[in-house]
Amino acid sequence: QKEVEQDPGPLSVPEGAIVSLNCTYSNSAFQYFMWYRQYSRKGPELLMYTYSSGNKEDGRFTAQVDKSSKYISLFIRDSQPSDSATYLCAMRYRDTGRRALTFGSGTRLQVQP
Amino acid sequence: KAGVTQTPRYLIKTRGQQVTLSCSPISGHRSVSWYQQTPGQGLQFLFEYFSETQRNKGNFPGRFSGRQFSNSRSEMNVSTLELGDSALYLCASSSGPWLGLAGEEIRAKNIQYFGAGTRLSVL
Repeated sequence: QKEVEQDPGPLSVPEGAIVSLNCTYSNSAFQYFMWYRQYSRKGPELLMYTYSSGNKEDGRFTAQVDKSSKYISLFIRDSQPSDSATYLCAMRYRDTGRRALTFGSGTRLQVQP
Repeated sequence: KAGVTQTPRYLIKTRGQQVTLSCSPISGHRSVSWYQQTPGQGLQFLFEYFSETQRNKGNFPGRFSGRQFSNSRSEMNVSTLELGDSALYLCASSSGPWLGLAGEEIRAKNIQYFGAGTRLSVL
């Protein structure tokens, strides 16, 4: 079983829709959570970073973390065709000796104009 | 400020050959991590370097190695290439080591910024 599970999609939505992207994880040692966006032929780009349970908002993006359920989400409001990309959740241990990011498999999102 | 630069962008090699990939981190960043991305396995951590020392290593065979120079630039090497090594190799840089700090200070010090990657095809 993978440490981080993410629905690979693809997810296709009309422009203006609210998008919900989700990841679950199995190891409670993960304490820091990130969402990256990756366009085709590009490297991942950091969208959101959070370390506590609850919601964090940045423009049209909201990251939600529920540590008790080991579940994180990214919500995109008023989705745009330019949001079409692969979205990757990533997590990191608090332990200073284990600094690598563990990624979900990525969800491909297509926003139809 | 220039981003993370990876060279070359594309490489084609044959089985049994070796390859060296290069990564120049963001100016002032001292930590460089390498990841392998494939459609089947997704993004997997290879290793991390800080101050010319390997600090962490993922579960890859010894054919995968790396090093970091005094100017923080890093190279990774794959020897005796196999077909399964075909992948996008990503380099990420951050300003410092993971200090386990709380709060938004982490964001400035430890967020990893990725390059565009080197796409390696092994024939």
